[in-house]
Amino acid sequence: DTGVSQDPRHKITKRGQNVTFRCDPISEHNRLYWYRQTLGQGPEFLTYFQNEAQLEKSRLLSDRFSAERPKGSFSTLEIQRTEQGDSAMYLCASSLELGAEQYFGPGTRLTVT
Amino acid sequence: AQSVTQLGSHVSVSEGALVLLRCNYSSSVPPYLFWYVQYPNQGLQLLLKYTSAATLVKGINGFEAEFKKSETSFHLTKPSAHMSDAAEYFCAVSDTPDGGSQGNLIFGKGTKLSVKP
Repeated sequence: DTGVSQDPRHKITKRGQNVTFRCDPISEHNRLYWYRQTLGQGPEFLTYFQNEAQLEKSRLLSDRFSAERPKGSFSTLEIQRTEQGDSAMYLCASSLELGAEQYFGPGTRLTVT
Repeated sequence: AQSVTQLGSHVSVSEGALVLLRCNYSSSVPPYLFWYVQYPNQGLQLLLKYTSAATLVKGINGFEAEFKKSETSFHLTKPSAHMSDAAEYFCAVSDTPDGGSQGNLIFGKGTKLSVKP
């Protein structure tokens, strides 16, 4: 097992553009989480999936953000009309089941210019 | 509401010296507590977790942490620092054992550990 993977690792975009990130969890992990980490801060929870169902969303997830997990496998996080304040590291994590450890991916660093 | 405070955004120790990274939490329910380590350009790795069993928790790489309810603390220690310990360390709190049933791992701001030769 190669762990949680995220793509791309880095993304530079201009303000107003749309971006999409992908997360591939550890196979058979049915829980998948997205976090955002800004400079000098710890990760902040954004949203979470149990299989394909999105069960919780943070108030940080504005209407410009959308996440999907079709078929309960990989997940995508899309940000529409990016703003400079969206610049951050976006982390994905997965866990096997309730009570199991969250395993984190390497993150996607987004820079909005 | 739950929260975590990590005292000291940057800690510097000499190789072989004691490592002490401080974490205080606030929780209205019995907390579950975690320490994660993040190396540059990498994701977070779980060092150890407290889930209401023994108050002294041993983790990987020689780290341990002690849950002190009276002090609402969960400080991370290592007797002898190694150069490879240089990284950023995050304390986190949750109201569930895996920090995941609601997706609510609440992280502190992190402490960057430097190790001098």
